[in-house]
Amino acid sequence: AQKITQTQPGMFVQEKEAVTLDCTYDTSDPSYGLFWYKQPSSGEMIFLIYQGSYDQQNATEGRYSLNFQKARKSANLVISASQLGDSAMYFCAMREGEGAQKLVFGQGTRLTINP
Amino acid sequence: GAVVSQHPSRVICKSGTSVKIECRSLDFQATTMFWYRQFPKQSLMLMATSNEGSKATYEQGVEKDKFLINHASLTLSTLTVTSAHPEDSSFYICSANRGLTNEKLFFGSGTQLSVL
Repeated sequence: AQKITQTQPGMFVQEKEAVTLDCTYDTSDPSYGLFWYKQPSSGEMIFLIYQGSYDQQNATEGRYSLNFQKARKSANLVISASQLGDSAMYFCAMREGEGAQKLVFGQGTRLTINP
Repeated sequence: GAVVSQHPSRVICKSGTSVKIECRSLDFQATTMFWYRQFPKQSLMLMATSNEGSKATYEQGVEKDKFLINHASLTLSTLTVTSAHPEDSSFYICSANRGLTNEKLFFGSGTQLSVL
């Protein structure tokens, strides 16, 4: 079974609009962490935002926020006021277990911002 | 912030040769580093966990003798693709963190390997 599922292979959004990238996860471990990374065409992985399973509030980092629905096992990324530079691949990832460090990644969503 | 340096960024080699990729943590010590592989338009797949001073832990299906990992110091891990074949052509990317719980992983810039 897929640990991390991203159901949107591609998304097209008009500049300045908000966009939500979907991510659902599957784990039976009560302690886990959820990450979003951005990968531009250059290939580097850029950390965007982190949500811990015990965090009471949704994580926010500037224009990025994470809509954490624990009961539904979803961790959608919301980008407000999208910019042309936001065009990239976006990966949702999960770390399972207390003290674990390795990540399991979803298939990714290619986001294209249109001017 | 913490930086992970990966070198080379791109390498082209002939079939049968070996290629070494380096991953360095520049301003922190990393007891653990991770090596991922990414095929075009696909996700990152964990290949192995590199442990300083001990043997690497390989994921299921990854050939240990094919992908040699050495983590000789707290700031350097190397991945050697031995006897490379065209099907080894891929994007390889390493990551590390400072060992703190819940901390993000820092990624290198990746290496695009092309085997002719």
